[in-house]
Amino acid sequence: GQNIDQPTEMTATEGAIVQINCTYQTSGFNGLFWYQQHAGEAPTFLSYNVLDGLEEKGRFSSFLSRSKGYSYLLLKELQMKDSASYLCAVRDSNYQLIWGAGTKLIIKP
Amino acid sequence: ETGVTQTPRHLVMGMTNKKSLKCEQHLGHNAMYWYKQSAKKPLELMFVYNFKEQTENNSVPSRFSPECPNSSHLFLHLHTLQPEDSALYLCASSQQPGLEPDTQYFGPGTRLTVL
Repeated sequence: GQNIDQPTEMTATEGAIVQINCTYQTSGFNGLFWYQQHAGEAPTFLSYNVLDGLEEKGRFSSFLSRSKGYSYLLLKELQMKDSASYLCAVRDSNYQLIWGAGTKLIIKP
Repeated sequence: ETGVTQTPRHLVMGMTNKKSLKCEQHLGHNAMYWYKQSAKKPLELMFVYNFKEQTENNSVPSRFSPECPNSSHLFLHLHTLQPEDSALYLCASSQQPGLEPDTQYFGPGTRLTVL
């Protein structure tokens, strides 16, 4: 079966750095997405990786290793507004998105 | 501001009711999706429409009936639902499946409670 694993919950301090990991086992690979979802709101697109390496976008970066079936989302200079759930999703060989259950990130002052 | 709107935002219905969820996208996309999101579970893809044609039905019970009259509008008709159908129903759209990266953009969802 297909599976996306990410931690259920993480806690970090305002101003610090946090890394959210995602490992996947899917039938084929056609890209990996990270989304942010605040409670009661729509998931919003953060980043897309299809080749190995690091993609940087402001305070957020996303890394992919296809050989290891592994990605992480790195959040720097954490702000209180970064408290949210972070969803990892992989597009499989049928071009369907397979989703993880999400990581709830709690930011403390 | 995602460009995808959903109504109603909240819905409470009995098991014998019939209701419809509406989704509209203002992004000029060609594909639209219905997802179910339950607490602490991954998003479950329900239906996919590409250029108004249904291309995916992920073994969804027949008490959920989608309708896509055009590329901008998507409906989910509900009838004789069960309490376990209570969840957040999300609509999404994307430019065109197969056209990389084909990022999906989501609406705010309808929080459905079945009594």
